[in-house]
Amino acid sequence: DGGITQSPKYLFRKEGQNVTLSCEQNLNHDAMYWYRQDPGQGLRLIYYSQIVNDFQKGDIAEGYSVSREKKESFPLTVTSAQKNPTAFYLCASSIGAGIYGYTFGSGTRLTVV
Amino acid sequence: DAKTTQPPSMDCAEGRAANLPCNHSTISGNEYVYWYRQIHSQGPQYIIHGLKNNETNEMASLIITEDRKSSTLILPHATLRDTAVYYCIVRSYMNNNAGNMLTFGGGTRLMVKP
Repeated sequence: DGGITQSPKYLFRKEGQNVTLSCEQNLNHDAMYWYRQDPGQGLRLIYYSQIVNDFQKGDIAEGYSVSREKKESFPLTVTSAQKNPTAFYLCASSIGAGIYGYTFGSGTRLTVV
Repeated sequence: DAKTTQPPSMDCAEGRAANLPCNHSTISGNEYVYWYRQIHSQGPQYIIHGLKNNETNEMASLIITEDRKSSTLILPHATLRDTAVYYCIVRSYMNNNAGNMLTFGGGTRLMVKP
């Protein structure tokens, strides 16, 4: 079955360390997105990519970096520059600009210890 | 993108219809209305979307008022598994730009009770 896979589901990081969250899709979707969700809040866009080798900053890109070397993959790196990285991270993908809706992964919960 | 307003929470009895309202009084002619839901600690799930006409699929119905300033998501026979946060989002697709990204607000927390 086609879908979007995020790994790991839970991740613990020490302060000052970079960490990379994986997002893979086999839906042949063009666009991919990273969102952050804090407890009791809506989703906020970190980065998005419409095509391979191109990506754009969202509302809260500071302290994060991404790459899009393959259509299927859109990893997110949370750097030590992100001051408050503990959150639930969601990856999504869509056909084109998403007029038919987004498909979301099941998320990665990152905790800084 | 137009801002939406939803009640923060609602209850519904199991087996009854759940009617979730959304106000989007500043919606423009090229903006679609989308509904997603998020079950606790999972990723959001697409439910339905529409532009002007009412829409129905296997999950729900979407009723959009004639002036398009508000809409209602209807779950015809709510079950306990429909307990979730429901997000109403309006979004433009001008220029096919993914940068017109989805903006998720607080949503409505629907509690389906036995």
